[in-house]
Amino acid sequence: GDSVTQMEGPVTLSEEAFLTINCTYTATGYPSLFWYVQYPGEGLQLLLKATKADDKGSNKGFEATYRKETTSFHLEKGSVQVSDSAVYFCALSDVPTGLTGGGNKLTFGTGTQLKVEL
Amino acid sequence: GAVVSQHPSWVICKSGTSVKIECRSLDFQATTMFWYRQFPKQSLMLMATSNEGSKATYEQGVEKDKFLINHASLTLSTLTVTSAHPEDSSFYICSARSGQYSGNTIYFGEGSWLTVV
Repeated sequence: GDSVTQMEGPVTLSEEAFLTINCTYTATGYPSLFWYVQYPGEGLQLLLKATKADDKGSNKGFEATYRKETTSFHLEKGSVQVSDSAVYFCALSDVPTGLTGGGNKLTFGTGTQLKVEL
Repeated sequence: GAVVSQHPSWVICKSGTSVKIECRSLDFQATTMFWYRQFPKQSLMLMATSNEGSKATYEQGVEKDKFLINHASLTLSTLTVTSAHPEDSSFYICSARSGQYSGNTIYFGEGSWLTVV
């Protein structure tokens, strides 16, 4: 079945540091890939997505590229801020593209907690 | 923007009792809602998919008689954990999908922490 593996946290960085959170996946077919973020006390929010190979999703300075050859979708940000502290989830959906926030089933990784300090 | 609200945010109950968690879409009608569970250091696992007015579809390994899901209206789905046991202690989170005329987007609730003592 489908699965998503992401690096374990917590990840602690200083403000303005470079961030990478690794995510790899296993899926049949051509899934859509997502990064969700959950700030303390809030629901998961879609951060960015990519629906086909070589697509790059980007939002709020974060970006991730759909790499079919390495089955990866690593999240990066060049300069993190304290306000980026949250839990980040990588996810995939096996429903075809055309659905904005995701399809039916979303398969999630374990989540990676990011803590950014001054 | 669209908001999905869960209630309660956290609950403690005694073994053997039942506890209900509500998931509401506040400003859109959700034809489909999803319930997930997350154990510490594990992935969010889909438990079931509920469509308004019909029976929920449960994932393999999820006991439908233990985790009762009701989606009685287009803005409310409930998850009832019946005869709760300590191993049911977990983080439960719902999501709701807006219809095709509202962007067909999935929104998540804040999650509910259940502790069974």
